Amino acid sequence: DTAVSQTPKYLVTQMGNDKSIKCEQNLGHDTMYWYKQDSKKFLKIMFSYNNKELIINETVPNRFSPKSPDKAHLNLHINSLELGDSAVYFCASSLRTGGRETQYFGPGTRLLVL
Amino acid sequence: GEDVEQSLFLSVREGDSSVINCTYTDSSSTYLYWYKQEPGAGLQLLTYIFSNMDMKQDQRLTVLLNKKDKHLSLRIADTQTGDSAIYFCAEPPGSGNTGKLIFGQGTTLQVKP
Repeated sequence: DTAVSQTPKYLVTQMGNDKSIKCEQNLGHDTMYWYKQDSKKFLKIMFSYNNKELIINETVPNRFSPKSPDKAHLNLHINSLELGDSAVYFCASSLRTGGRETQYFGPGTRLLVL
Repeated sequence: GEDVEQSLFLSVREGDSSVINCTYTDSSSTYLYWYKQEPGAGLQLLTYIFSNMDMKQDQRLTVLLNKKDKHLSLRIADTQTGDSAIYFCAEPPGSGNTGKLIFGQGTTLQVKP
């Protein structure tokens, strides 16, 4: 299937641990994103990469580090996890057609920090 | 600044029309979008409207844009239980060249049988 996939789907971990979330898209898109959705469903962009180059870096703690080994992958590593990091993290990729951007979202990774 | 606002909750009966409203602040946006999030899933693009249009119709969906008031609405005709979801409006800030989208808080649509 062509899609944006994320692993793992669920992640439960202790405070202070380091964890990674992986994202892959086989849509051939050049741009990929990480979003955080909090418990109130508020969705905020964290990072964006275009052709492996960081183009958007919102105000996100240094503990969050994205890595794009190639344009089909964008992984998110989180150091020293905190309770407030508990959220759903969505990866997305986008295609620009005639000035219009369509973003395709992955199914989300539900992170719970205990 | 960049801000997109929506009401948080709407409840309708099956077969009624639903209207979800959104206000935005960046008047330079070329496109405005509606995304749908079903329970436990990611967001999916539902529809969009180009900023020089007032209205766009797509089957049961009608998007209305009032640029003067910076108001966007999504009307769903003959609402079905399968339409129950969270609906987000989104705009790209500025020229929209970075791909960044600013999302509203999402409107939870509850459809009662």
